[in-house]
Amino acid sequence: QVTLRESGPALVKPTQTLTLTCTFSGFSLSTSGMCVSWIRQPPGKALEWLARIDWDDDKYYSTSLKTRLTISKDTSKNQVVLTMTNMDPVDTATYYCARIPGSGWPFDYWGQGTLVTVSS
Amino acid sequence: QPVLTQPPSASASLGASVTLTCTLSSGYSNYKVDWYQQRPGKGPRFVMRVGTGGIVGSKGDGIPDRFSVLGSGLNRYLTIKNIQEEDESDYHCGADHGSGSNFVVFGGGTKLTVL
Repeated sequence: QVTLRESGPALVKPTQTLTLTCTFSGFSLSTSGMCVSWIRQPPGKALEWLARIDWDDDKYYSTSLKTRLTISKDTSKNQVVLTMTNMDPVDTATYYCARIPGSGWPFDYWGQGTLVTVSS
Repeated sequence: QPVLTQPPSASASLGASVTLTCTLSSGYSNYKVDWYQQRPGKGPRFVMRVGTGGIVGSKGDGIPDRFSVLGSGLNRYLTIKNIQEEDESDYHCGADHGSGSNFVVFGGGTKLTVL
């Protein structure tokens, strides 16, 4: 059974750095072709893809956010970590992690999401 | 990269059928689109992928036979037959751009209300 769960702070202040962790089970990120992405959804708005990390440690970022994002993995812990620097109120959103079983495949499993509010 | 357009809302009566549309921007008629269902307060759930030839691959886990897809030109359709209360959700479409600026782009989502 594949599961993913996001964790991190519910509230961050403007200019702070956000660190989110995706803890997963039911698959290994060392399996050839496996990938994990982060996607966010501001309240009442569309989904926005943020970043992806592949089984071979290749990393990809949203063009508009790439200077602020870092994605990493700890295969032994079955975790993927996303950091976003210089947080702003417009970054208030529910952040999801999702599995991709192979490059070009859909997001076949998602976490339940974690709401992050940016406010002073 | 493509732009995906979805009507913001749709409604259908219990037991009826409804077709949701996702329209690709010009020049991307060969793109496949993924449909995701998002129930209130939950994370999205993969429904199925659709190209111009219809479904690509398999449906997501637990997706009933009442859900089907078609593709034509720039449009990708998700049809739900015999609508149930549990189908009331936001439905998102997404397209894998594969490379370049952003790997995946999403439409704005359609909120389906079951009357």
